[in-house]
Amino acid sequence: GAVVSQHPSWVICKSGTSVKIECRSLDFQATTMFWYRQFPKQSLMLMATSNEGSKATYEQGVEKDKFLINHASLTLSTLTVTSAHPEDSSFYICSASNSFGPGTRLTVT
Amino acid sequence: GDSVTQMEGPVTLSEEAFLTINCTYTATGYPSLFWYVQYPGEGLQLLLKATKADDKGSNKGFEATYRKETTSFHLEKGSVQVSDSAVYFCALSDTYKAAGNKLTFGGGTRVLVKP
Repeated sequence: GAVVSQHPSWVICKSGTSVKIECRSLDFQATTMFWYRQFPKQSLMLMATSNEGSKATYEQGVEKDKFLINHASLTLSTLTVTSAHPEDSSFYICSASNSFGPGTRLTVT
Repeated sequence: GDSVTQMEGPVTLSEEAFLTINCTYTATGYPSLFWYVQYPGEGLQLLLKATKADDKGSNKGFEATYRKETTSFHLEKGSVQVSDSAVYFCALSDTYKAAGNKLTFGGGTRVLVKP
């Protein structure tokens, strides 16, 4: 089946710095990937749709300048959290072809 | 906008008990409906889906029927095992694409099965 990986699985960064999260489709090509955010013991909220070779589509309320998405190849999408703040601490999950990655836990100190 | 409501947990059951997790939705048109499961320490896995009214999705002993008249997609399993302990998410998509779908999730229901 479709396998999606993420890297890193967890990351700690200082407030004001940027951090990049990678999402890869391992055994298939993905023209579209989705980025979700999950708060502790809560559900997943769609942040944006990542489109290979074009701009991402962001959901209402998601700051596109803060959460930069790049989908430069058919197997890789990246989410960069810029100028991170403690409120950005969360679990970030990507999805492609109805499969989900294992998630990346971001802690901003 | 679209929304999904599912029963709050945690749901605690004994092994071999019957499990039902209620899920209702609000959407325009004819959405596709999904159940995802998240085992402890793991990512979400698609459990089953239904893409049109009256379809029944089934997998690993779990079943759910797409009921348009009641806008529901309740998850059931006749005899649970300890290994079914997980968080279950009901979700919908406006359409169904094999390439992937924008999903609206319910709040998740934690199920704990005791031996």
